[in-house]
Amino acid sequence: DVKVTQSSRYLVKRTGEKVFLECVQDMDHENMFWYRQDPGLGLRLIYFSYDVKMKEKGDIPEGYSVSREKKERFSLILESASTNQTSMYLCASSVVGGSPQHFGDGTRLSIL
Amino acid sequence: GQQLNQSPQSMFIQEGEDVSMNCTSSSIFNTWLWYKQDPGEGPVLLIALYKAGELTSNGRLTAQFGITRKDSFLNISASIPSDVGIYFCAGRETGANNLFFGTGTRLTVIP
Repeated sequence: DVKVTQSSRYLVKRTGEKVFLECVQDMDHENMFWYRQDPGLGLRLIYFSYDVKMKEKGDIPEGYSVSREKKERFSLILESASTNQTSMYLCASSVVGGSPQHFGDGTRLSIL
Repeated sequence: GQQLNQSPQSMFIQEGEDVSMNCTSSSIFNTWLWYKQDPGEGPVLLIALYKAGELTSNGRLTAQFGITRKDSFLNISASIPSDVGIYFCAGRETGANNLFFGTGTRLTVIP
């Protein structure tokens, strides 16, 4: 079974802090993704990566950056957290081509 | 990015009833996926479809890849309380690595 593990289920941070969300997958998948999920808006893609050190912007990259130094790990960074970044963040991974994405359990992030 | 039109947004049904939901896109897809998300969890893949017209079942769930390649349908037969959750459709265009997602259908099953 594919396992995508997100480092925290719940996180509370303050405005202006630098926040790191970590994601690890154990299936040697090439592709990794970060989404945020808000009520009524579904899943929106922030960034994705199709190889180590490679990244592509998704639909809402503003205010975020990512890092992929190892194949199994994909980090999402909020450079200076703001209250409008309070959300559920979901990480996913897949092999290349048309395969489905497998999701972690999510990190519910609150910015105060 | 494209947002898929998923309907209905929410459903309240009696246990034992059948459920239907659908998803449409403005562009042609080569893959349609259906996920279910339980409260506080990440989405879990239910069914994957890769060919126009394909009909695939997973237990009481049946999904179809529309002939036009711009829509997909999910049916749940004889609903039970554990079917409660949010169901998402997702689709992929040819050659793309990323998915487009629907806004979800929130299903409530009344015992």
